[in-house]
Amino acid sequence: ILNVEQSPQSLHVQEGDSTNFTCSFPSSNFYALHWYRWETAKSPEALFVMTLNGDEKKKGRISATLNTKEGYSYLYIKGSQPEDSATYLCASYIDRGSTLGRLYFGRGTQLTVWP
Amino acid sequence: NAGVTQTPKFQVLKTGQSMTLQCAQDMNHNSMYWYRQDPGMGLRLIYYSASEGTTDKGEVPNGYNVSRLNKREFSLRLESAAPSQTSVYFCASSENRNSNQPQHFGDGTRLSIL
Repeated sequence: ILNVEQSPQSLHVQEGDSTNFTCSFPSSNFYALHWYRWETAKSPEALFVMTLNGDEKKKGRISATLNTKEGYSYLYIKGSQPEDSATYLCASYIDRGSTLGRLYFGRGTQLTVWP
Repeated sequence: NAGVTQTPKFQVLKTGQSMTLQCAQDMNHNSMYWYRQDPGMGLRLIYYSASEGTTDKGEVPNGYNVSRLNKREFSLRLESAAPSQTSVYFCASSENRNSNQPQHFGDGTRLSIL
């Protein structure tokens, strides 16, 4: 069983604060790391797909980094806004060879940004 | 742009009843997936279809069957519903099963088994 771990489980910040959270994944058999944003009552939406060690992706105030050798990725939000409130999911793509490759999801970090 | 459409959005069943959850995508994607989401758990893969005509078991396939009817549609069937299958079910699709392809999710089906 492969474990994708996310921390913290939940986070409460004030509007304007910058924040970050972590996704840990097995570093062996690594292919890709996905980040999704999941707002309440909506469906998860892809933020980033990262494949190379040292990858950095940015989308507006949100950015992510990837370290495949040590098996972690950080998601950063600069100047958090109430509309950033959501659950952020990460998923690691693993292909074991004998079975088709697929995503293994973490449990998510629930971010609440207070005005 | 509809994307991934799931029906129904809500359903209540009695133990032992059967039902089929429908999923259709209009993005010409090859790969489709069914997940369940339970409190305190990550999304868990039930079944997936890498391409039309193929299906494979995921992490939690027991009690479910799937049909990839055509390229657009991927249905999930509960033959004899059990309370443990109370969950929110998400269908997703991706262009193909390659690791760099993001998945696109439907809005979910909230299923309660009494």
